[in-house]
Amino acid sequence: AQRVTQPEKLLSVFKGAPVELKCNYSYSGSPELFWYVQYSRQRLQLLLRHISRESIKGFTADLNKGETSFHLKKPFAQEEDSAMYYCAPPPGTYKYIFGTGTRLKVLA
Amino acid sequence: DAMVIQNPRYQVTQFGKPVTLSCSQTLNHNVMYWYQQKSSQAPKLLFHYYDKDFNNEADTPDNFQSRRPNTSFCFLDIRSPGLGDAAMYLCATSREGTSGSYNEQFFGPGTRLTVL
Repeated sequence: AQRVTQPEKLLSVFKGAPVELKCNYSYSGSPELFWYVQYSRQRLQLLLRHISRESIKGFTADLNKGETSFHLKKPFAQEEDSAMYYCAPPPGTYKYIFGTGTRLKVLA
Repeated sequence: DAMVIQNPRYQVTQFGKPVTLSCSQTLNHNVMYWYQQKSSQAPKLLFHYYDKDFNNEADTPDNFQSRRPNTSFCFLDIRSPGLGDAAMYLCATSREGTSGSYNEQFFGPGTRLTVL
């Protein structure tokens, strides 16, 4: 199974503090990973995909093959970043499973 | 400019009474997915259609069926809903790449199913 693991269910940080949401993957080959976000009362939507290597809303994520990680980072958290974040492998793969998700709370 | 639409947004059914949830898309994507998301849990893939090809996840109960009559529409049928089937059901679409890379999924707003 192509699995991803998000070790933190809840992460609370103060506004302006750096944020790192962890994601580790456990399969071989060149992974293609995604970060999805779900804001309160909104639909699940794509935040980042590793292949694009772009920054969205100040978030970046680097694939580290040595550590098998794809952590999501932002240098200065904003209150509007409070949401549920899911790491996910590419769709259409065998035993495709979302990460368990991390709820980010940014405190004023 | 809604792209993935789910109807109804809220569905109440009785224990054992069949229910159908619908999903439509305006993106002309070739892959459509159904997920079950229970409270405080990650979405769990039930099955997906790659064009007309149906792909069932191994642990999806037989109680759950799906139909895709055309590119735009996909239905989730729950033949005999139990209390444990109460959840949010998410539909998603993607365009499967021909270059070997995978594309993002576009999600609908979900249908919240209550089983009485």
